[in-house]
Amino acid sequence: DAKTTQPTSMDCAEGRAANLPCNHSTISGNEYVYWYRQIHSQGPQYIIHGLKNNETNEMASLIITEDRKSSTLILPHATLRDTAVYYCIVRALSGYALNFGKGTSLLVTP
Amino acid sequence: GAVVSQHPSWVICKSGTSVKIECRSLDFQATTMFWYRQFPKQSLMLMATSNEGSKATYEQGVEKDKFLINHASLTLSTLTVTSAHPEDSSFYICSARGWGSFQETQYFGPGTRLLVL
Repeated sequence: DAKTTQPTSMDCAEGRAANLPCNHSTISGNEYVYWYRQIHSQGPQYIIHGLKNNETNEMASLIITEDRKSSTLILPHATLRDTAVYYCIVRALSGYALNFGKGTSLLVTP
Repeated sequence: GAVVSQHPSWVICKSGTSVKIECRSLDFQATTMFWYRQFPKQSLMLMATSNEGSKATYEQGVEKDKFLINHASLTLSTLTVTSAHPEDSSFYICSARGWGSFQETQYFGPGTRLLVL
């Protein structure tokens, strides 16, 4: 699986959009970009995934650059409950376990 | 849909005893289940992968005789920590992956916190 690079930490004001970047310059053509988050002392929660088109669901939007070497997870209106560690993971559908890096620790402030 | 449960949510045991943790997929059939371990302020580390009816595949450095994994049905996998010691104290998390629409994504349980005294 391709390696990903994320900032260690980010802050965001409550009600504003949180934009979390991820670099995956060695991504292969068959690899998807997955985003999970882990709230303190809980199991990871699936957010969204995509191949090359932008994706949106009830939780977030995923913007993937045309060359697929980077992506951005957007939480449109961050709340205090969005404070968590966010993991960007690249994996092929036929791959097996998700391998977690260090992720980005997002702090949403009042 | 796609709910994974774990039991117990936390357990305290004496050194030398064995502890069993259950992982269940509640609304889908899990062809593959994964077990992770997470130490404080660290990321999740994959311990093993198990397919229903087959022996588990362990990651390098994980003792298969110490961490016994059973995946006897499509909805249940168990992890038994045998002869637990204080260094085994950790947060154990399982995840499950099915087929069809459930193949694309791994769904995680809430985790089990183990404290060995």
